[in-house]
Amino acid sequence: AQSVAQPEDQVNVAEGNPLTVKCTYSVSGNPYLFWYVQYPNRGLQFLLKYITGDNLVKGSYGFEAEFNKSQTSFHLKKPSALVSDSALYFCAVRASGSARQLTFGSGTQLTVLP
Amino acid sequence: EAEVAQSPRYKITEKSQAVAFWCDPISGHATLYWYRQILGQGPELLVQFQDESVVDDSQLPKDRFSAERLKGVDSTLKIQPAELGDSAMYLCASSGGDLGNTEAFFGQGTRLTVV
Repeated sequence: AQSVAQPEDQVNVAEGNPLTVKCTYSVSGNPYLFWYVQYPNRGLQFLLKYITGDNLVKGSYGFEAEFNKSQTSFHLKKPSALVSDSALYFCAVRASGSARQLTFGSGTQLTVLP
Repeated sequence: EAEVAQSPRYKITEKSQAVAFWCDPISGHATLYWYRQILGQGPELLVQFQDESVVDDSQLPKDRFSAERLKGVDSTLKIQPAELGDSAMYLCASSGGDLGNTEAFFGQGTRLTVV
């Protein structure tokens, strides 16, 4: 069975500092990897995805993520955090191929301190 | 910008009552998902449709939950009877393509409170 681990429930970072939100995954075959953000009482918003190709993918709002196949990781990063980045972040994985389940991690609450 | 529509946004129901949620995916999206998200946790897949067919309902509590997507467009998720433990956010999402490499777009969700 496929799974996603987000080892940190909470990440705190000062505004202007770089941020990293960690994600590791387990899946059979090649993975499709996604990051989503959720604000209170809202649905999930797509940030970025890795399908194939360059291991560093760039997404919305200045976020990027690095795919590392040997470490089965897909950490989310941003060079300079903003207070408005404070939210709940979810990593998700799907095995390549059609009609496969999209599995989410438990989420990481990011708080950017002014 | 196209969106996934869900209604209602909020629902309060008494235990043992029936409750239903509706979802209208982005036009043309063949894949539709229903997720349940308990506060502070990640979304858990309840059921996944490809057009009108269920492709995964392994985590759907079938004794009380049902889902349908009769014409392969909008979908309804029903709970009967509702239990206190069903209190959660119910999220609908849709995605296009059939190779699994497209992102899912989520609706705003329905917050269910069972009292």
